[in-house]
Amino acid sequence: NAGVMQNPRHLVRRRGQEARLRCSPMKGHSHVYWYRQLPEEGLKFMVYLQKENIIDESGMPKERFSAEFPKEGPSILRIQQVVRGDSAAYFCASSLRIAGGRGEQYFGPGTRLTVT
Amino acid sequence: GDSVTQMEGPVTLSEEAFLTINCTYTATGYPSLFWYVQYPGEGLQLLLKATKADDKGSNKGFEATYRKETTSFHLEKGSVQVSDSAVYFCALSGTQGGSEKLVFGKGTKLTVNP
Repeated sequence: NAGVMQNPRHLVRRRGQEARLRCSPMKGHSHVYWYRQLPEEGLKFMVYLQKENIIDESGMPKERFSAEFPKEGPSILRIQQVVRGDSAAYFCASSLRIAGGRGEQYFGPGTRLTVT
Repeated sequence: GDSVTQMEGPVTLSEEAFLTINCTYTATGYPSLFWYVQYPGEGLQLLLKATKADDKGSNKGFEATYRKETTSFHLEKGSVQVSDSAVYFCALSGTQGGSEKLVFGKGTKLTVNP
């Protein structure tokens, strides 16, 4: 059973360009989380999605960032007009929904975004 | 809001030494608690977890006990190996708004020397 897949693993963008990060959850998982890890920091929650729905976007910056998880295909985290401060590792995690709501989150290998 | 505070590193030990990484939390309700490990260049792997007070999570020789009275979840291992060198993250999963998002500590880098 393939794990959570993310691509690209490394992404270099110039300031002002757009970055698109993709996440394919584990088979059968319908919940996706995005986290950002800044250098020397822990992971910070960004957004939680289910198929075609954003459930919690309390960690998303107000501007330039958006996320989707369509009925078909991977979840996409989109960053418009990137700035140097967006340079970070972006991790996706997926989970099942189980009784009691405590499904374990499985993490992908991350996308390392560098803005030059 | 919910938060996690863990011992900041880096921590350097010799092989077979005893390891403790402290972790305390602040949360409303009854969170689940986790330790994740991140090897260089990789994503996070769940090391162990505990879902209620006094539960002990264990895996690969690592242990942590959910202590509600001290709001702690300290990670321990009796005899570390070089292969344990990694960054360790303590985390909690609350139920605020039903999102079950994970709240992480800043991580503790462990280096084990032969």
